[in-house]
Amino acid sequence: DTEVTQTPKHLVMGMTNKKSLKCEQHMGHRAMYWYKQKAKKPPELMFVYSYEKLSINESVPSRFSPECPNSSLLNLHLHALQPEDSALYLCASSRDSGLVVNEQFFGPGTRLTVL
Amino acid sequence: AQSVTQLGSHVSVSEGALVLLRCNYSSSVPPYLFWYVQYPNQGLQLLLKYTTGATLVKGINGFEAEFKKSETSFHLTKPSAHMSDAAEYFCAVRWRRSQGNLIFGKGTKLSVKP
Repeated sequence: DTEVTQTPKHLVMGMTNKKSLKCEQHMGHRAMYWYKQKAKKPPELMFVYSYEKLSINESVPSRFSPECPNSSLLNLHLHALQPEDSALYLCASSRDSGLVVNEQFFGPGTRLTVL
Repeated sequence: AQSVTQLGSHVSVSEGALVLLRCNYSSSVPPYLFWYVQYPNQGLQLLLKYTTGATLVKGINGFEAEFKKSETSFHLTKPSAHMSDAAEYFCAVRWRRSQGNLIFGKGTKLSVKP
């Protein structure tokens, strides 16, 4: 299984809602990533989890809260988002995030619209 | 400052023509280099990567790229474009002492005309 799955595919939420994005991989990868991609722009790194610990937070607002319940799962909890947070949210995984280079496998993304 | 640049936000070729997508990096130490492709409304798929060793790297779908240290470049090529190659292509780097962050270029949209 060389797949990263993300649910839901699409999400529409109001600014007062709380929702969660889910990412799953069964490749035994120990590093998992959240990226945000605005239209016609490259992905921007948000968070990195390495061995289920948050290792990088790229100064992301606290209305985005990541969680790594186990080595296969990565969640992104959303609360009180703004319309400018509308974007494609991509999850990725790699064998590890250390100095050994491993390519990142990306999921199909969740298209988020904040009204 | 370290950076990655893709020259040309939009490249258009005819079917069967050579595809050349340019990527340059700015760093005193060569990074690890990647090319990803993104089809509309999809995630990113790795085409190929360069870490060490042979500087000509072959990837999937007939693409290849050559690492040229003297030119700080990692251009992506394909001898003959196919309609299915129409997509967004991202060059990405990982600096050698970083903790796994991929830094992406701005992307090049490839159009293929029949």
